[in-house]
Formats: sequence, C-alpha cells, structure tokens
Amino acid sequence: AQTVTQSQPEMSVQEAETVTLSCTYDTSESDYYLFWYKQPPSRQMILVIRQEAYKQQNATENRFSVNFQKAAKSFSLKISDSQLGDAAMYFCAYRSAVQGAQKLVFGQGTRLTINP
Amino acid sequence: DTEVTQTPKHLVMGMTNKKSLKCEQHMGHRAMYWYKQKAKKPPELMFVYSYEKLSINESVPSRFSPECPNSSLLNLHLHALQPEDSALYLCASSLNEVEKLFFGSGTQLSVL
Repeated sequence: AQTVTQSQPEMSVQEAETVTLSCTYDTSESDYYLFWYKQPPSRQMILVIRQEAYKQQNATENRFSVNFQKAAKSFSLKISDSQLGDAAMYFCAYRSAVQGAQKLVFGQGTRLTINP
Repeated sequence: DTEVTQTPKHLVMGMTNKKSLKCEQHMGHRAMYWYKQKAKKPPELMFVYSYEKLSINESVPSRFSPECPNSSLLNLHLHALQPEDSALYLCASSLNEVEKLFFGSGTQLSVL
C-alpha cells in the first residue's frame, strides 16, 4: 500500500519570504499523480498543484512550485513571496494512475503560519 | 460552474435521528466521493461512486448509506449515528477516476 509522509507538523514563515514544505511517499508503482492541497480555516480543500510522475519537469502555479525527485520519492512544495492568505493546513497526496484506482492517499498535513 | 455544493453546512443530530447530506456538481464529473475528516487529521475516504455505481466502500458502518441518484447528485443518509461520528464530511468529484478532485466546503456534523 502507498503511504505519504509529511514530517513537519507545523511551519511558520515571515510574510514575503519563501518556505518549503516537505513530503515523501512510498510506492512500488512507476506511474502516479502527486498533489498538494490547501485547507484554510474555511475547511474547503483547494488544489494547489498537481504533478504527473512521468513528467520530469517540475510543476509550477504562480508562486507555488514543486521539487519532484522521483528516485528519492520526494515531492516538496515551495511557496514564494508568502502572503497572509497562504496560512492553512497543507496536505500532500498520492494517487495511482492504474485504471480503476480512485483512492487519494493523504499525508498527515503541515500547518503553515504566516507572520506579518 | 466549477463548484461542488454541499448542504447543509452544519448539522446537529441525535443518535436516534435520520438525516441526509447532499452534494451536487454540474461539471460533468463522473466520479464522486465522500470523505470524513476529524479535527487536525487528513480526510479519510468513505465511498466512491464511478459512473453512478458504488465502486469503493472503505468498510464504512452501515449507519452510513450512500446514494447516487444521478451523475450530478450524491447523498449520504445517516441513521443511528454515534457521537464519535461527529466530523466534517467532505464531498468531492473528479472528471474520471484519475483526474484531480474538486472538493465541496463540507458539512460539519455533530452527533449528540
């Protein structure tokens, strides 16, 4: 079974600075998807970024980028120019690309605080 | 329309009550999900419907009964719940079984 590990329960960063959230995963599959979801106090899960394992290029979405290291099974999220609205719980998630696989496996989450 | 709409937002029920949670999407997604989330924990998958058929039941107790009347609607019927069932219940949908999930804002359920 696949597992996702987020080793940082809490992180904090000064507004406008850069922060990196860590995520590692364990799988024997070669094709899969990785995601970062954000859950602000409103508790709605919002997709931040998505990475296909077969793509070597790291995904980016505006101030959010990932460092995907397939061999090391590492998938970290970098937030540049942190803003107060980035404060949230961040979940790393794994999903198999096998036909019929529908389960999204989440890590335990990292609570990010932005200091003004 | 890129929303997943859940109603009600909050629900308080007694252990003998019967209630239902509703989820709706109009994005043409063919997979819909129910997740349960306890405070400070990640969401846990409960059920998956794919093309209106139940494809995954993560050994959920029978006091939770899902229903997918059509491709846009997903219900979760609740009966004889326990206080430990109090949690945030999240609905999600995806275009198909491998695409990204879109989540609703959840129903905060309290069982007294």
